Amino acid sequence: KAGVTQTPRYLIKTRGQQVTLSCSPISGHRSVSWYQQTPGQGLQFLFEYFSETQRNKGNFPGRFSGRQFSNSRSEMNVSTLELGDSALYLCASSLGQGFSVTQYFGPGTRLLVL
Amino acid sequence: KQEVTQIPAALSVPEGENLVLNCSFTDSAIYNLQWFRQDPGKGLTSLLLIQSSQREQTSGRLNASLDKSSGRSTLYIAASQPGDSATYLCAAPNSGGSNYKLTFGKGTLLTVNP
Repeated sequence: KAGVTQTPRYLIKTRGQQVTLSCSPISGHRSVSWYQQTPGQGLQFLFEYFSETQRNKGNFPGRFSGRQFSNSRSEMNVSTLELGDSALYLCASSLGQGFSVTQYFGPGTRLLVL
Repeated sequence: KQEVTQIPAALSVPEGENLVLNCSFTDSAIYNLQWFRQDPGKGLTSLLLIQSSQREQTSGRLNASLDKSSGRSTLYIAASQPGDSATYLCAAPNSGGSNYKLTFGKGTLLTVNP
């Protein structure tokens, strides 16, 4: 079974631009979560989507948004980029219901904002 | 608000040693707790998930325990190997009950010396 894939793997943007990151979950998984990882703050939860609906949300500004498509693929968008948005963005997928809640992570997208 | 702390922040041991990594969490009303491993520049690999009804979970040389009453979990690694060198993260669901909104500790950076 293929794992979680994320594209692109690396991105360089400048302040004020916007960026879209993509995540394809493991086949059959309906939940996709996004996390931001920085050296200072560690891993922080952004949001979780299940069956095309945002089910959980973290404490990030509205510049961070996401969506999920009918095939469970998810995208995350960051508008008006700031230097502090430089981070490793990780997505994770899981079945999304029942007791099987293990989350499987992708390799991440490393975003550098200049 | 769930807070997760991991001690120690870094650990260096000789090959073959048994070791214990510690994780504490503030909100004990959790249904599960997960341990992950992260290699430099990579995503997270799920190691073990312990349900709240379990006290221990084992996978190969790894054994994780969970004590909800004291807000603690430990990851025991037997007969450590250089390939075990990585950052180990524990994650607990956020207060409010969602299993898909995880709070992570800052991790323990483990180095196993040949």
